[in-house]
Amino acid sequence: GQQLNQSPQSMFIQEGEDVSMNCTSSSIFNTWLWYKQDPGEGPVLLIALYKAGELTSNGRLTAQFGITRKDSFLNISASIPSDVGIYFCAGQWDTDKLIFGTGTRLQVFP
Amino acid sequence: SQTIHQWPATLVQPVGSPLSLECTVEGTSNPNLYWYRQAAGRGLQLLFYSVGIGQISSEVPQNLSASRPQDRQFILSSKKLLLSDSGFYLCASQPTGGSGYTFGSGTRLTVV
Repeated sequence: GQQLNQSPQSMFIQEGEDVSMNCTSSSIFNTWLWYKQDPGEGPVLLIALYKAGELTSNGRLTAQFGITRKDSFLNISASIPSDVGIYFCAGQWDTDKLIFGTGTRLQVFP
Repeated sequence: SQTIHQWPATLVQPVGSPLSLECTVEGTSNPNLYWYRQAAGRGLQLLFYSVGIGQISSEVPQNLSASRPQDRQFILSSKKLLLSDSGFYLCASQPTGGSGYTFGSGTRLTVV
């Protein structure tokens, strides 16, 4: 099935560093979503974006809906060990099925 | 808000044995329901989705089947498991007309 291009594939960073990941698509969406999956658990929604150009924050997380509606990025500031996991972007057109990114695996070292 | 119940959390089954994984949803009616499989550390592969009772769409040909006998119940089955069926299985629910999914906590299946 279709998947969005998400990069980087993995990141190994030190605690306290900032993290940036992005997601691109050949199709436009009117909703972008970011999920985090802790090891051995199901993904949990972090941030939802509904408007092109929208910038939304949730604590140390900030996500933006690209102007072209074909991309989105997620930033994590001042990373901590519990940020470890796999981050997935997802795009949606109206109420269609979500199209997920390939995931970014984040490792944080103390 | 929705709550997704998935069980069992872990399952070890011999090759050739049958499989039944169950997912139930609380907090919404007539949701769209999804089964995903995830290989270790990899992305999410959509297996089946359902927009209503008895309505199942398959995304990839495989050894598995799905059924939706009730509005908020989604079952993943196999008659004879293969080694390649091992993985982490996730159920997800989307409210009618809603955006985004809520995921269950997953079932880790190991076929030996």
